[in-house]
Amino acid sequence: GDSVTQTEGPVTVSESESLIINCTYSATSIAYPNLFWYVRYPGEGLQLLLKVITAGQKGSSRGFEATYNKETTSFHLQKASVQESDSAVYYCAPLATSSGQKLVFGQGTILKVYL
Amino acid sequence: DPKIIQKPKYLVAVTGSEKILICEQYLGHNAMYWYRQSAKKPLEFMFSYSYQKLMDNQTASSRFQPQSSKKNHLDLQITALKPDDSATYFCASSPRTDEQYFGPGTRLTVL
Repeated sequence: GDSVTQTEGPVTVSESESLIINCTYSATSIAYPNLFWYVRYPGEGLQLLLKVITAGQKGSSRGFEATYNKETTSFHLQKASVQESDSAVYYCAPLATSSGQKLVFGQGTILKVYL
Repeated sequence: DPKIIQKPKYLVAVTGSEKILICEQYLGHNAMYWYRQSAKKPLEFMFSYSYQKLMDNQTASSRFQPQSSKKNHLDLQITALKPDDSATYFCASSPRTDEQYFGPGTRLTVL
């Protein structure tokens, strides 16, 4: 079945350090290359962080980047220098090839950035 | 102004009762969805609708019934509630095949 595995949290990093949150997924029913990262900041709702919906595209937003690797079925999230305001829960969510545009979510990775 | 409204924000129900979760979107989208997140579990897809027609149903139980009275509404009726139904229910919408936008959720507790 569909499954997504993310880096187990919480991930704790110091401000200005680099970050990578891993995401891998089962390839049987994922609609390449529709891949998304969502974020939930404290006290806020789930919002889209970045997306890749075209082959060869690199998603980027707010200093975050995500690179898609079809061979390893991975979609890791990276940032060169995190800020305290990046503290949030991050969700990897590829789109499954069902008829109804179903997003398959990972378990979420809690990121804590300290000064 | 919030673009996707879910009501109520919190809901407490007794086992065996019936509740309706409300979702309205003001983004002009044609597709709407329901997801559920139970404690310590990932967000889980439940239903998708396009132009008010059911496209996909990943919910095993018929106790969960979406209702679309208007293009921008997709309510969720839950009957014969059980404690295992306790979760946060999220409504989402999308233009077509692009990214989905999520509402703030309704946290349901079944006693």
